[in-house]
Amino acid sequence: ETGVTQSPTHLIKTRGQQVTLRCSSQSGHNTVSWYQQALGQGPQFIFQYYREEENGRGNFPPRFSGLQFPNYSSELNVNALELDDSALYLCASSLAGGGSGNTIYFGEGSWLTVV
Amino acid sequence: GESVGLHLPTLSVQEGDNSIINCAYSNSASDYFIWYKQESGKGPQFIIDIRSNMDKRQGQRVTVLLNKTVKHLSLQIAATQPGDSAVYFCAEGGTGANNLFFGTGTRLTVIP
Repeated sequence: ETGVTQSPTHLIKTRGQQVTLRCSSQSGHNTVSWYQQALGQGPQFIFQYYREEENGRGNFPPRFSGLQFPNYSSELNVNALELDDSALYLCASSLAGGGSGNTIYFGEGSWLTVV
Repeated sequence: GESVGLHLPTLSVQEGDNSIINCAYSNSASDYFIWYKQESGKGPQFIIDIRSNMDKRQGQRVTVLLNKTVKHLSLQIAATQPGDSAVYFCAEGGTGANNLFFGTGTRLTVIP
């Protein structure tokens, strides 16, 4: 158990719809990152939130957006869903950005299927 | 750009043998490397990490080796057990970097 919890665990959406995924970070962690993992691939960085602001973004279009709340929990929102958005969405929490010694812990993910 | 690649997509070992999973990276500026284990239907589980000022680090039954000269990372698992069967990812990050770059993973299968 990493202490990173995500919801929902599975969901099915129709192309063009919008989805919100939620994440609670490990206690004491102030940084949340979101990753997309397509089947058979490694996770790809979407963006990171630190102190309620976006703090780095990967190569994802603007229809991927997020929020971080004062309690450090976070949401990932995806608008205008496309079939290729079907993937496992992973939330990771860390202290102060992670990297270089600050371990990054992942949740179990939210499986999104777009039909 | 950066790339994190793995030499072998699959690896099968006999229970009790040692396993070695290899990884190549291309960004010489990366200074932090992590190995994750991912079981089917679950999120990546942290195994061990190493910073670029080290060339070896040991954990419980696992050892990570870093060769900066050839940009190579390996994970050694001693006395491999059936519970070690999973996909293993190496990931790299840099000082102050916000994100990790992952490879596509190696599937380890332990044969009882």
